[in-house]
Order: sequence, then structure tokens, then C-alpha cells
Amino acid sequence: LAKTTQPISMDSYEGQEVNITCSHNNIATNDYITWYQQFPSQGPRFIIQGYKTKVTNEVASLFIPADRKSSTLSLPRVSLSDTAVYYCLVGGNNAGNMLTFGGGTRLMVKP
Amino acid sequence: DVKVTQSSRYLVKRTGEKVFLECVQDMDHENMFWYRQDPGLGLRLIYFSYDVKMKEKGDIPEGYSVSREKKERFSLILESASTNQTSMYLCASSFAGGAAYTEAFFGQGTRLTVV
Repeated sequence: LAKTTQPISMDSYEGQEVNITCSHNNIATNDYITWYQQFPSQGPRFIIQGYKTKVTNEVASLFIPADRKSSTLSLPRVSLSDTAVYYCLVGGNNAGNMLTFGGGTRLMVKP
Repeated sequence: DVKVTQSSRYLVKRTGEKVFLECVQDMDHENMFWYRQDPGLGLRLIYFSYDVKMKEKGDIPEGYSVSREKKERFSLILESASTNQTSMYLCASSFAGGAAYTEAFFGQGTRLTVV
């Protein structure tokens, strides 16, 4: 998997939009960009995935520029329950590739 | 709903014991993974299996082995438990190819304490 770099931590307040950026300079042509969310004492949970441009679901939006060397997870109007660690992964469709997580970004949402 | 089930939520074992952590998934996923998670160290991959009887070492395989005799079940074995293996252990599964390979589903975790 391509190596990713993301901020260690971020703080926000309830109701704000939060953007977490991940750098993946050596992303390969067939790599997808995937984000996970992890609450304390639980396993990570898949939240969104994209290949290029913009993807939106009920939880978040994912923005990917044309060069795909970075991506931004956008959480609209966060609440206290969005306090979690967010992981960015980059990987392709080669069977047998391992799923390796980086350090993640610890988001703290304050009242 | 996809389900990845780990056999125990909490486990306490003695140093030197052989420990088995079991994981079962119900989505016919080809890939299965074992991770450990420690404060400040994030998720570290121990072993990965992409098919029955197939396995690959992850980043920290020392002191562990795995077994995958059936597609739905992936076992992590601590041959001789030590206190430095006290950790949260997480199992995950995913399909083999395409975008689905990075859409993994995780179990609830097993918090293992070795005393």
C-alpha cells in the first residue's frame, strides 16, 4: 500500500465542518483511497472510498484532486459523537496486498 | 449486515500459556487480517490470509502464528503468551480485488491481558 501522511490530531467545535487531509504522493494508477473511523474500544469502521474527483455519502464527503496525490475527508457539521480517530488508506486491486494502517488523525470535537 | 465475530471480548491468560483467538466472518470474504492495537502505536498488522491455508506475515509476526483451515475462520495463536502481548487484538475481512479489497470489516476486538 502507498504510504500516507495525515495530521496526528485536530480539534473542532460542534456544528463546524471538519476537513482532514491525507497525503499519498506515491499513489498508483489502480489505487483507491479509503477512510475509516474508529471509536475507543471498537474496531475501525469503513466510512468512504473514492478514486477521483468527489464522493459523497450520508456520513462524509471525499475530495480528490486531479493528481490524486492527496485527499480530503470532509465531515459536515460535526457533533460530539464524531470524536474518533480517522485513518486514510491507499490501495489497489491486487489480490494478496496487505491492509496497512497509518497512525490516523485523532479528531476531538468540543461543545 | 456483514458480521465479523471474535470469540472473546476480554481474555486473561497466564505467561507461557498457548492462546487461541478465533475470528469468523459470514460474507465469504477471501481476505482476513489480524491486528494488534496499543496506545500510541496505532493498528499494526500481525498476519494476513488471502485464501484457505494461505498466509503472509505482516509487520509484527514474531511470537504469533495463524491458521486458516476454512474460508470463514481465521485463528491467531500465541504459542507462549508473554506480558508484552497484552493488547487489543482486532480481526478484519474483505473481498480480494478491486475497491472492495480496502473496504474491510472489523470485529469488536479482544482485549487480552497476559499476567
